[in-house]
Amino acid sequence: GAGVSQTPSNKVTEKGKYVELRCDPISGHTALYWYRQSLGQGPEFLIYFQGTGAADDSGLPNDRFFAVRPEGSVSTLKIQRTERGDSAVYLCASMAGYGTEAFFGQGTRLTVV
Amino acid sequence: EDQVTQSPEALRLQEGESSSLNCSYTVSGLRGLFWYRQDPGKGPEFLFTLYSAGEEKEKERLKATLTKKESFLHITAPKPEDSATYLCAVQARSNTGKLIFGQGTTLQVKP
Repeated sequence: GAGVSQTPSNKVTEKGKYVELRCDPISGHTALYWYRQSLGQGPEFLIYFQGTGAADDSGLPNDRFFAVRPEGSVSTLKIQRTERGDSAVYLCASMAGYGTEAFFGQGTRLTVV
Repeated sequence: EDQVTQSPEALRLQEGESSSLNCSYTVSGLRGLFWYRQDPGKGPEFLFTLYSAGEEKEKERLKATLTKKESFLHITAPKPEDSATYLCAVQARSNTGKLIFGQGTTLQVKP
């Protein structure tokens, strides 16, 4: 596609529920990143994929968070037993290669009530 | 620990009033320093990458510069459409390409 696409744009869920956030990167980009952005803050790194494998998941806050990229393109961020503190904008970015610029999607705004 | 600090947190300018945004960083071997613009409700939009001290890049009213410890984003004769949050991020040679962001500077340009 022309840009990074994220769905849904907004997600409201109840505390304790499970959610999935989807990212469709730019075609041909092998590197994919997930970030989380709280109000008034810069994006915070969560996880990095190179191809199908998670090369760096050091930013995942706890084991309720998990992400996959089974075919090396679309990625899904999964959050189990959501908590109100998980409310934030979740951003996905893709890169053509190491050291090149990252292109971001518009984000998914997650609200846990 | 890699770290980025931006100042000021917020900046209000009159149209045409030039100014600079600061990004101070500490990183274990800089691979690149990135500037992004973010409009409300949207993802960051890439502006510049700087790789070595002394490097400068320009785009319309924006000019980014880099030293060994900080970067500046100079805005010359800003217009209201330049109002946005400007984010600075660093990428270290030793890591997996992840970006470490500052908290951003929110710029408001009044007509």
